[in-house]
Amino acid sequence: SQQGEEDPQALSIQEGENATMNCSYKTSINNLQWYRQNSGRGLVHLILIRSNEREKHSGRLRVTLDTSKKSSSLLITASRAADTASYFCATVSMDSSYKLIFGSGTRLLVRP
Amino acid sequence: DTGVSQNPRHKITKRGQNVTFRCDPISEHNRLYWYRQTLGQGPEFLTYFQNEAQLEKSRLLSDRFSAERPKGSFSTLEIQRTEQGDSAMYLCASSLMAAAVNYGYTFGSGTRLTVV
Repeated sequence: SQQGEEDPQALSIQEGENATMNCSYKTSINNLQWYRQNSGRGLVHLILIRSNEREKHSGRLRVTLDTSKKSSSLLITASRAADTASYFCATVSMDSSYKLIFGSGTRLLVRP
Repeated sequence: DTGVSQNPRHKITKRGQNVTFRCDPISEHNRLYWYRQTLGQGPEFLTYFQNEAQLEKSRLLSDRFSAERPKGSFSTLEIQRTEQGDSAMYLCASSLMAAAVNYGYTFGSGTRLTVV
């Protein structure tokens, strides 16, 4: 079952602009991860934020986590055409399976 | 060993036929997960293995689906008597159990199944 919603479902921006995607989830989590998926391909891990962390940076990526609101956001700064992809948040379950539970994704289009 | 390998990349089959997909994880990874993704949706968990033991199956995995991981290495996912609703991308991911809470998972490129 899907973990929660991602907002917006689709986003179109100009190259050089920032892109912000939001994710909500329903259950307690071990950590939250963001993945990118190019059309018809597998998922690529971008960044992981633990439940006791509030913000994390990696290159042009910035992730925030608010466990009280059960929400996270992914900011991509200075976007490039190559950032065009679908972005998914995924929570890691608290049980020993550590399985990923994905949101519905945001489709990002960066126009050159 | 550069990552998780899935074969075939694409499979077109007639309704009612059986299909089998293969996943080769990163060699030292003891955890292997299968997910299904339909168009426009996020991946949904199907099942996972720790070494050769299948530890959990979701309710999405009907009795027409079976997965194996002999000797804790590669895994196969078989769908018997395929239905049009089985059309989806089937994704495999692997990880080290001990690292699961600290690192991301490595996914294969997936097998896209089309049932006609």
